[in-house]
Amino acid sequence: AQTVTQSQPEMSVQEAETVTLSCTYDTSESDYYLFWYKQPPSRQMILVIRQEAYKQQNATENRFSVNFQKAAKSFSLKISDSQLGDAAMYFCAYNDGNKLVFGAGTILRVKS
Amino acid sequence: EPEVTQTPSHQVTQMGQEVILRCVPISNHLYFYWYRQILGQKVEFLVSFYNNEISEKSEIFDDQFSVERPDGSNFTLKIRSTKLEDSAMYFCASTSRRTGSSYEQYFGPGTRLTVT
Repeated sequence: AQTVTQSQPEMSVQEAETVTLSCTYDTSESDYYLFWYKQPPSRQMILVIRQEAYKQQNATENRFSVNFQKAAKSFSLKISDSQLGDAAMYFCAYNDGNKLVFGAGTILRVKS
Repeated sequence: EPEVTQTPSHQVTQMGQEVILRCVPISNHLYFYWYRQILGQKVEFLVSFYNNEISEKSEIFDDQFSVERPDGSNFTLKIRSTKLEDSAMYFCASTSRRTGSSYEQYFGPGTRLTVT
């Protein structure tokens, strides 16, 4: 079964600084999708960024970018110019072709 | 922009009672999901539904759970006899899974179920 590991239970970043959240996964598939979701205190699940495994180019969405290392099965999220509104729980997720498999999440705190 | 909706936002029920959680997926989506998140824990897959039948279910989705698409718009999760450990946030999600869609799943805002 596929597993997703987020080894950082909690991270802190100063406003306007950059922070990287780690994620590793385990799969025997060669084609799959990876996602980062943000969950603010409202508990709504908000898609931040997606990556297709067959694409070598790392995905970017404004201040959010990923470092996708397929061979290492690593999928980290970099948030640049952190803002107070970025404070939330962040979940890494793997799509096995049907369901999403989530990591345990990383709480991101942003200090002003 | 189309969105997934869920009702109610919060449901309180007594142990042993039946509850039905309702979801309206995005209208042109074909694949529907329920996930559960116990407070402070990760989001867990419960069940997926396609073409009016369950396509996959997890170990959590035992005989106490059922899903239904009673009409062309609603997708429901029923828990027949609730237990204290069923207290959680329940998320509905849907996707079109069209070629090139990246299989992105769109989540509803969740229903918080409290079993007393």
